[in-house]
Amino acid sequence: DAKTTQPPSMDCAEGRAANLPCNHSTISGNEYVYWYRQIHSQGPQYIIHGLKNNETNEMASLIITEDRKSSTLILPHATLRDTAVYYCIVTKDYKLSFGAGTTVTVRA
Amino acid sequence: AAGVIQSPRHLIKEKRETATLKCYPIPRHDTVYWYQQGPGQDPQFLISFYEKMQSDKGSIPDRFSAQQFSDYHSELNMSSLELGDSALYFCASSFSRNTEAFFGQGTRLTVV
Repeated sequence: DAKTTQPPSMDCAEGRAANLPCNHSTISGNEYVYWYRQIHSQGPQYIIHGLKNNETNEMASLIITEDRKSSTLILPHATLRDTAVYYCIVTKDYKLSFGAGTTVTVRA
Repeated sequence: AAGVIQSPRHLIKEKRETATLKCYPIPRHDTVYWYQQGPGQDPQFLISFYEKMQSDKGSIPDRFSAQQFSDYHSELNMSSLELGDSALYFCASSFSRNTEAFFGQGTRLTVV
């Protein structure tokens, strides 16, 4: 699986959009980009995933660059409950390898 | 909606004892994954099963074994427990591979 690089932490104001970057410059053509988050010792929660096209669901939007070497997860209106560790995972199979994610703190 | 059920939620064992963790996947999910998360660490993949067959193996110690049964539930058996086995153990399930996985709330194992 391709290696991913995420900033270790970021703050976000409540009600504002949170943009979480992820670099995956060694991604191969059949690898998907997945985003999960983990809220304090709870089970990781699936957010969204994509291959080439941008994706949107009720939780977030995923923007993948045309060369697929990086992506951005967008939480459109962050709430205090979005405070969590966010993981960007690149994989072509069913095995998720969690690396060092981004600790997002949403502040009132 | 039904979620992944793990039992027990908490377990305390002494060194050298054995432990069995159970995982009940979301109905109609045929793939189960096990992860270990030590204190302050990220989840680490242990093992996975697809249609009752082992499909991939990660950093699972030889003292651990797992299987998936005919009803698709899975059990993680841990023997000769060590202090370092104290961790959160998560199970996840998905419908076939290459789809999103849904995680249970985990079993917190404490070895004393």
